[in-house]
Amino acid sequence: QKEVEQNSGPLSVPEGAIASLNCTYSDRGSQSFFWYRQYSGKSPELIMFIYSNGDKEDGRFTAQLNKASQYVSLLIRDSQPSDSATYLCAVSSNDYKLSFGAGTTVTVRA
Amino acid sequence: DADVTQTPRNRITKTGKRIMLECSQTKGHDRMYWYRQDPGLGLRLIYYSFDVKDINKGEISDGYSVSRQAQAKFSLSLESAIPNQTALYFCATSISGADTDTQYFGPGTRLTVL
Repeated sequence: QKEVEQNSGPLSVPEGAIASLNCTYSDRGSQSFFWYRQYSGKSPELIMFIYSNGDKEDGRFTAQLNKASQYVSLLIRDSQPSDSATYLCAVSSNDYKLSFGAGTTVTVRA
Repeated sequence: DADVTQTPRNRITKTGKRIMLECSQTKGHDRMYWYRQDPGLGLRLIYYSFDVKDINKGEISDGYSVSRQAQAKFSLSLESAIPNQTALYFCATSISGADTDTQYFGPGTRLTVL
């Protein structure tokens, strides 16, 4: 059983601040890593994926991957109230299945 | 727009009833998945299918069955519903040969078993 662990939160940040979300995984063979955002009662939507060590930036979002430490993170810069959601970390070992963490709930205070 | 749709969106049923949840997609993807989501537990894989003739159990398949009627359609059945199957159910799709295993989700079906 592949395990993916996230802090459940809630993570509360003021508007304009940086939100930092963390995710660890147990399977060293994992090769692809995903961050999904899920608003309450809605379906998960992909924010970004990463598969190489280091940083990957897309707008206000930066994913960071460290395979040696089995750690992936997501930074949200200039947080907005619309970023208030649950963020799901997902991991794939290229077996075309995703293992999901339980999610971190983020609240951005106006 | 290419999309993933699920029907029904909400369903309330009684213990022991047979229920079918349907998923259709116009993305042209060959791989389809069924997940359930419970508070605090994240998404858990029930069944997945990589093409019409391929059906595989996920981590929590007991009490569920599936049918892949066509590349675009993947149905989930609860043969005899029980209260602990009350959950939010999502269908997802992905495409083989892509750079990543990105999955795209339908809007979900909220199922309540009384």
